[in-house]
This record gives sequence, structure tokens and C-alpha cells, in this order.
Amino acid sequence: NAGVTQTPKFQVLKTGQSMTLQCAQDMNHNSMYWYRQDPGMGLRLIYYSASEGTTDKGEVPNGYNVSRLNKREFSLRLESAAPSQTSVYFCASSVTASGNTIYFGEGSWLTVV
Amino acid sequence: QQQVKQSPQSLIVQKGGISIINCAYENTAFDYFPWYQQFPGKGPALLIAIRPDVSEKKEGRFTISFNKSAKQFSLHIMDSQPGDSATYFCAASIGGYQKVTFGIGTKLQVIP
Repeated sequence: NAGVTQTPKFQVLKTGQSMTLQCAQDMNHNSMYWYRQDPGMGLRLIYYSASEGTTDKGEVPNGYNVSRLNKREFSLRLESAAPSQTSVYFCASSVTASGNTIYFGEGSWLTVV
Repeated sequence: QQQVKQSPQSLIVQKGGISIINCAYENTAFDYFPWYQQFPGKGPALLIAIRPDVSEKKEGRFTISFNKSAKQFSLHIMDSQPGDSATYFCAASIGGYQKVTFGIGTKLQVIP
């Protein structure tokens, strides 16, 4: 009964390095999301995938790319990490994109130095 | 532009007291208003939600009050307990639309 699983939990990157955050859900949900959480900013949507095969930009997509690998998996890639991308990243999923409960993973703490 | 404004950012309440968190929204097309609870080191989890056709929804010690004309909604936690200490996010979304807009969060501390 894992729900939404994201890896890694913690990561330190140097400016300019690239990395991919992995996310998988086992609830057969159609929609998946990537959020970032910063103090005083709340949760901001980076990218989402309403259904397998589709991805769309959210509120803060610059510097990120995503891949909906299959129905279960949705990855977030930082091509050239910047200190401004230091944040806590949450993957999430929902049955559909229409106002259903969003289920979040436990977060990935990323520090860019 | 912050579409959902949440206040206060932090709140300290004594055990047994009432915790009140307020949110205001601008987009009248919003039709789903959930509250999420987040414990340290964990992801947010849905606590309670309301649609604008009702003015109040209660689940145990948690109540959402909704004022459509004022475009405001609030979370009341009755008989607050130390285990309620967490960060609370209000949110709003439009049915059939993918994006949920979150408030900035309120860090609640319930002291014994």
C-alpha cells in the first residue's frame, strides 16, 4: 500500500549539474503532478500530466522538464541546476484531473550549491 | 498574483482552544475548496473539503465555513490538540480543470 513513492529523498547538487527525480504511484491514477514547496510560497505546480501521454506546464515550469513514462511513473528533470531550485519537491497523483483528492508523496529535499 | 490568500502564516493555540485559519479567493469560477494537513517531513494530505453549494461542513473537530458572497472560507479546529500541530494549506480548484491553487500555508502549534 505504498501510494506515491518518490526518489531520492535527499540530494545535493552543484550548480550546473543535472538530475532526475523519479515518481511512481500504485493507485492506478490517471493524473500526476510535480509541486515545489518553498517557505512563504506554499505549494506551486511545476508540471502536470492529466493522463498518460500528456504533459502541461504549471505555474513555475522554467528550468524543468518532465516525462510521463507510463501510467505509473512521472519523472522531473533538472537539466542545469541553479541555487534557485533549492526546494522540497513533491510528486502527487489523483484519479482524474477534475477536483479529486490529490495524494502526495513524502517529498524530495534538493539543495543546489 | 496570489489567487488564494491565506492567513495567518503562523498560529499558536493552547490545548483545548479553537484554531481558526482564514482564506480568501478571487476567482469566482473556483468550485472546490480543500484543506490539506502536512506534518513535518511528510507530504500534504487531504483533511476536509467543501463545494460552494453549502455554507459549512463538519468532520469531527474540523469544520469548514464558506462565505460565497465574501469569497472567503475558513478552517476551524475545535478542542485543538498537540497532535494537530502541523502546517495547513487551503486550496481552490475549478471542476474539470487540472490545476489546484494552494495558499501559502499556516503553521499551527498547539501548546499543552
